[in-house]
Amino acid sequence: QKEVEQDPGPLSVPEGAIVSLNCTYSNSAFQYFMWYRQYSRKGPELLMYTYSSGNKEDGRFTAQVDKSSKYISLFIRDSQPSDSATYLCAMTGTASKLTFGTGTRLQVTL
Amino acid sequence: GAVVSQHPSWVICKSGTSVKIECRSLDFQATTMFWYRQFPKQSLMLMATSNEGSKATYEQGVEKDKFLINHASLTLSTLTVTSAHPEDSSFYICSAPRIGGGNTEAFFGQGTRLTVV
Repeated sequence: QKEVEQDPGPLSVPEGAIVSLNCTYSNSAFQYFMWYRQYSRKGPELLMYTYSSGNKEDGRFTAQVDKSSKYISLFIRDSQPSDSATYLCAMTGTASKLTFGTGTRLQVTL
Repeated sequence: GAVVSQHPSWVICKSGTSVKIECRSLDFQATTMFWYRQFPKQSLMLMATSNEGSKATYEQGVEKDKFLINHASLTLSTLTVTSAHPEDSSFYICSAPRIGGGNTEAFFGQGTRLTVV
């Protein structure tokens, strides 16, 4: 079993839809949870960062962490074609190397 | 915000030659940097941890003599792919964690696409 599981997609949604991206993990030591967006042929870009359980909102993006279920989510409201990218979840227990999900490819269509 | 700069963004080299990739943290100091490799449609796989002033730590299966890492200062780490072969063609990405206030965030370079012909 992988430490971090993420559905690779692709996920295709119409413009304006609410997108839900998820990851599950098995390592209870993970405390820091991040979501990255990666456009084709580019490096990952940090989108959201959460410490421990709870919700965090930034504009159209909301990150949720449920440590009891070892489950994290990223919600994108009013999705736009420019949101089309691969979204990677990542996590770490300390100020250390990140463990990544495989990434979910999102396509927002007009 | 914090920025990590990686150079070059792409490089094509002949088989058997060496290629150096630089990773710089532009507005914070990074005692540790991480080097990842990403094959098409796959996630990032950690290759090695670069430690300022000491030897790098390599992940299992990564040849330390092939992927030379030097972390000469608190803002610069370099990865040299020695005697490159076509199977080394990949997307290489560095990251630097910024630690402060009990939190940590990782920032990534733009990535380097290496093609070995």
